[in-house]
Amino acid sequence: GQQLNQSPQSMFIQEGEDVSMNCTSSSIFNTWLWYKQEPGEGPVLLIALYKAGELTSNGRLTAQFGITRKDSFLNISASIPSDVGIYFCAGQLGDDYGGSQGNLIFGKGTKLSVKP
Amino acid sequence: ETGVTQTPRHLVMGMTNKKSLKCEQHLGHNAMYWYKQSAKKPLELMFVYSLEERVENNSVPSRFSPECPNSSHLFLHLHTLQPEDSALYLCASSPGTGTSAHNEQFFGPGTRLTVL
Repeated sequence: GQQLNQSPQSMFIQEGEDVSMNCTSSSIFNTWLWYKQEPGEGPVLLIALYKAGELTSNGRLTAQFGITRKDSFLNISASIPSDVGIYFCAGQLGDDYGGSQGNLIFGKGTKLSVKP
Repeated sequence: ETGVTQTPRHLVMGMTNKKSLKCEQHLGHNAMYWYKQSAKKPLELMFVYSLEERVENNSVPSRFSPECPNSSHLFLHLHTLQPEDSALYLCASSPGTGTSAHNEQFFGPGTRLTVL
């Protein structure tokens, strides 16, 4: 089936650093969502993107819908310890009419940990 | 608090037991989902219900049996499970129809299932 390649798989952050992660696909997506999951909890929706080129912020988080519609990026500025967790991208494929089709496809996640 | 609750949060069962997982959403959504989350794998969609009708069954073994008695409640009945079925089972809901946000999924905290 369709896959999303999410990278990096894991990264260590030092407080105050900026963090970037991305998801790519060989297919065109019309919806990109970013989630964060903390231990013992379900994923929480952070940002939703619906248009190519769209840039949306949620506090220190900024996500972009890639112009090719095959990728999306999430940036976290000035990271703090509570940013640790697993970040997932999810996308919905585009249909022939500019809409979306099918169920969400999830990446494998990027695990953010604090630098020891 | 995402508006989606799941019980129990933890479950240990033997391979011959029968148990049920419960999900309830308080968001007025029309679609509900069951996912399986295993370590180092993307979220696996198991079942989708839209307006209480099952619209997707992703080749899930018959030892998992979903039930959606109304748009707010979703169950996953389990019987004769295998140890490899141990995972975090996540329920989600989404608006389901109408706006571009129809597929923004909101997750419950999950049930951590261990099959002995």
